[in-house]
Amino acid sequence: EVQLVESGGGLVQPGRSLRLSCAASGFTFDDYAMHWVRQAPGKGLEWVSGISWNSGSIGYADSVKGRFTISRDNAKNSLYLQMNSLRAEDTALYYCAKDARIAARHWDAFDIWGQGTMVTVSS
Amino acid sequence: EIVLTQSPGTLSLSPGERATLSCRASQSVSSSYLAWYQQKPGQAPRLLIYGASSRATGIPDRFSGSGSGTDFTLTISRLEPEDFAVYYCQQYGSSPAFGGGTKVEIK
Repeated sequence: EVQLVESGGGLVQPGRSLRLSCAASGFTFDDYAMHWVRQAPGKGLEWVSGISWNSGSIGYADSVKGRFTISRDNAKNSLYLQMNSLRAEDTALYYCAKDARIAARHWDAFDIWGQGTMVTVSS
Repeated sequence: EIVLTQSPGTLSLSPGERATLSCRASQSVSSSYLAWYQQKPGQAPRLLIYGASSRATGIPDRFSGSGSGTDFTLTISRLEPEDFAVYYCQQYGSSPAFGGGTKVEIK
């Protein structure tokens, strides 16, 4: 079964850091680009960051550029999001999502999603 | 940066009716890199349509996508009870972005 399982969320004070993880199984992880997407309570979806299959291409939303860092460890079938200088507006459910096409030259649609991990930034 | 605007914000319909959802882009979406997702309360989004008109694996044929350039449409031919949900369009290919969503609710 193809599966993505996020972890690492929690309550954190403004200005502090948090590292999210996403464990992948059921598919050849190093064949696909991966993404983080977030959803603030009661709001819509926001793409946060993406990383290509070989980490050669990385992108960030303007709202997190310079504060968040995406990475992956293909040997461990894992995706990460290092979040620094957290703000109240980063409070959201963070989803890990898989690109639909193998080794695509551009980002593709997201065909598999995890259930998300909640990040709450508050003092 | 491409901005996607979805309309209407809410669509109130009865089971069996046809739903037409719109997604308009601020600039042309290259190579029809446009997808549609369905999200139900407490669940992750599910991919319905990619490439503007191709159904994802396992998606019923009552869901169809059309459009190109800046104007795209998701049509649900006959609403089933399980189709009442929020729908998002997304452009991908460069810097992915989602529209604000359309809620399809039971009238």
